[in-house]
Amino acid sequence: DTAVSQTPKYLVTQMGNDKSIKCEQNLGHDTMYWYKQDSKKFLKIMFSYNNKELIINETVPNRFSPKSPDKAHLNLHINSLELGDSAVYFCASSQEGRGRYNEQFFGPGTRLTVL
Amino acid sequence: GNSVTQMEGPVTLSEEAFLTINCTYTATGYPSLFWYVQYPGEGLQLLLKATKADDKGSNKGFEATYRKETTSFHLEKGSVQVSDSAVYFCALHLTSGSRLTFGEGTQLTVNP
Repeated sequence: DTAVSQTPKYLVTQMGNDKSIKCEQNLGHDTMYWYKQDSKKFLKIMFSYNNKELIINETVPNRFSPKSPDKAHLNLHINSLELGDSAVYFCASSQEGRGRYNEQFFGPGTRLTVL
Repeated sequence: GNSVTQMEGPVTLSEEAFLTINCTYTATGYPSLFWYVQYPGEGLQLLLKATKADDKGSNKGFEATYRKETTSFHLEKGSVQVSDSAVYFCALHLTSGSRLTFGEGTQLTVNP
């Protein structure tokens, strides 16, 4: 009965490789997010999708490409991985109301290590 | 722009000590304010929230009051436990968009 799940939990790879992280939510939410958390725990939003449409796209290298095949899934593909991409990546979801905040539910995170 | 500033960590306390983690914000509208907690090896969980001025959010013994005059939302707990050891994030949300703006996070360690 996991609400927001991510796979894999750990990902170790070489520089220059291409990798994907998958996210699924079973909460029926219409909005999903990707966050990056660096080694100092600083959390920064990368992307947000609402009903499969991109609504937030922060200043992120275009090596990062989100893909939302349906409302329940938001995957993150990263090309040509660099050392600086090493971080913990969190997926989250929420049900956005009209001008009202609804709680964001976070996945357990994917720890990416680029060697 | 919108921003959240938290007191610098890490914070180390003994069990049963009083906790305050300061949070101030800058926003162009009327934000909702939140505290999220991240336990070791886990994702973030909503701890408490307040959606308008003078609201008090509370949960698990933690409290925070939305102070519009000082643009603050300080987190307090009267008696911390070892199990409260975690990273605490203050955040704001504006009704005009779905973005959550987080503070830098404060690492709390409670020793027995």
